[in-house]
Amino acid sequence: EAGVAQSPRYKIIEKRQSVAFWCNPISGHATLYWYQQILGQGPKLLIQFQNNGVVDDSQLPKDRFSAERLKGVDSTLKIQPAKLEDSAVYLCASSPQGAGNTGELFFGEGSRLTVL
Amino acid sequence: KQEVTQIPAALSVPEGENLVLNCSFTDSAIYNLQWFRQDPGKGLTSLLLIQSSQREQTSGRLNASLDKSSGRSTLYIAASQPGDSATYLCAGTGGFKTIFGAGTRLFVKA
Repeated sequence: EAGVAQSPRYKIIEKRQSVAFWCNPISGHATLYWYQQILGQGPKLLIQFQNNGVVDDSQLPKDRFSAERLKGVDSTLKIQPAKLEDSAVYLCASSPQGAGNTGELFFGEGSRLTVL
Repeated sequence: KQEVTQIPAALSVPEGENLVLNCSFTDSAIYNLQWFRQDPGKGLTSLLLIQSSQREQTSGRLNASLDKSSGRSTLYIAASQPGDSATYLCAGTGGFKTIFGAGTRLFVKA
């Protein structure tokens, strides 16, 4: 069974530029998550999708971050414009169960963003 | 609001030692508690998941326990090996959210 796929693995940009990350969850997983992990900290949830609907985006900085999950499968996370404090690893995860009864989370390798 | 705390933040032990990593959470109304391993520059690998109705789970040299009444979970690693060196994170799921601790960085010396 293929795991969660993410790209790109690494990205370096200058502040005020834009960047997009892509995630393909495990086939059949209804729930998809984007987490931000700053060095030395645990992952922080940015947004959670159930199929193609948003379950929770309370910690997503909506003035600069956006995310979508078209057709309930792949997802894209965009940052525009980027700030220095956005330097982090962006982790995508998926789960086979629906929101409210989330089961085991499966993570991708992450996308490491450096903002100069 | 759920908060998850992991103690210690870092741990260095000699090879062969048995060790315990601690995780505490503030909201006992959790569905499950999951332990992950993270190697440098990598994503998270699931180690063990304990459902709210369970008390513990075992996989090889790993044993995780869950005590909802006290808001605690422990990960026991038996006969540690240098290959166990990594960051270990716990995460509690409840109320549509999965909240992570900051992790324990483990170094096992050969």
